[in-house]
Amino acid sequence: KAGVTQTPRYLIKTRGQQVTLSCSPISGHRSVSWYQQTPGQGLQFLFEYFSETQRNKGNFPGRFSGRQFSNSRSEMNVSTLELGDSALYLCASSLVVGAYEQYFGPGTRLTVT
Amino acid sequence: EDQVTQSPEALRLQEGESSSLNCSYTVSGLRGLFWYRQDPGKGPEFLFTLYSAGEEKEKERLKATLTKKESFLHITAPKPEDSATYLCAVQNAGGTSYGKLTFGQGTILTVHP
Repeated sequence: KAGVTQTPRYLIKTRGQQVTLSCSPISGHRSVSWYQQTPGQGLQFLFEYFSETQRNKGNFPGRFSGRQFSNSRSEMNVSTLELGDSALYLCASSLVVGAYEQYFGPGTRLTVT
Repeated sequence: EDQVTQSPEALRLQEGESSSLNCSYTVSGLRGLFWYRQDPGKGPEFLFTLYSAGEEKEKERLKATLTKKESFLHITAPKPEDSATYLCAVQNAGGTSYGKLTFGQGTILTVHP
C-alpha cells in the first residue's frame, strides 16, 4: 500500500510570494492533518481536514490556509510568505478524523529568501 | 494547554548499550500517547500508541511504557541503525482537540558501532 505522498519535495520562494503544497493520503484514509516543523519550535499542528471540512485548527495566522478535495487529497496555501515560514511542512493521514494513528509523508522543504 | 517535554535532548550510546528516553506530559485528558521515529530529511515514522497508564508495547529492540505523567522508550542492545530522532506526542481527549498531536522536541539518539 502506497504511503502518504507530498509534492513538491523542495521549494524556494521569495518573501511576499505565495505557495501551494499538495498531499495525497494513504488509500482509504479520509483525514489529512498538516504540521510545520522547524528547529526552534519543533512540530506544530496547523489544521486537520475531513470530508472536505476543516475540523481543527492550530495557532497560526490566517496566511496559512488549506482545503481538501472529494478524493481526500489536500492542499495547503501560505500567502505573503515571510522568512520565518521556512520549514519542513508535513502532511499526515488517518482513517477518520481524530483517529489514533497518523501516518506522515516525507514533507515539503520550503525555503523563503 | 497540552505540553510535552522530552529528555535528554541528545543521547550517545555504544552498540549494545541499553538505555531509556523520557517523555513527560501535561494534558487535561489523555486520549493517546504516541512515539515516532524520524530520520534526517524524512517524515516521522509511527512506532507505538499507548492509551492508559500501565500499558506497555514492544517492537524489536524498542519497548514503550506509560504512567499517568510520563512515558519511557526503552532501547535494548541498540544497533547503529537505531540512530534517529525519537518524537513523543500526545492527543487530548477534548472534543475541540480531536486529531491534533502535540509533540515534544525530540531526543536525538546516536548509536556508535
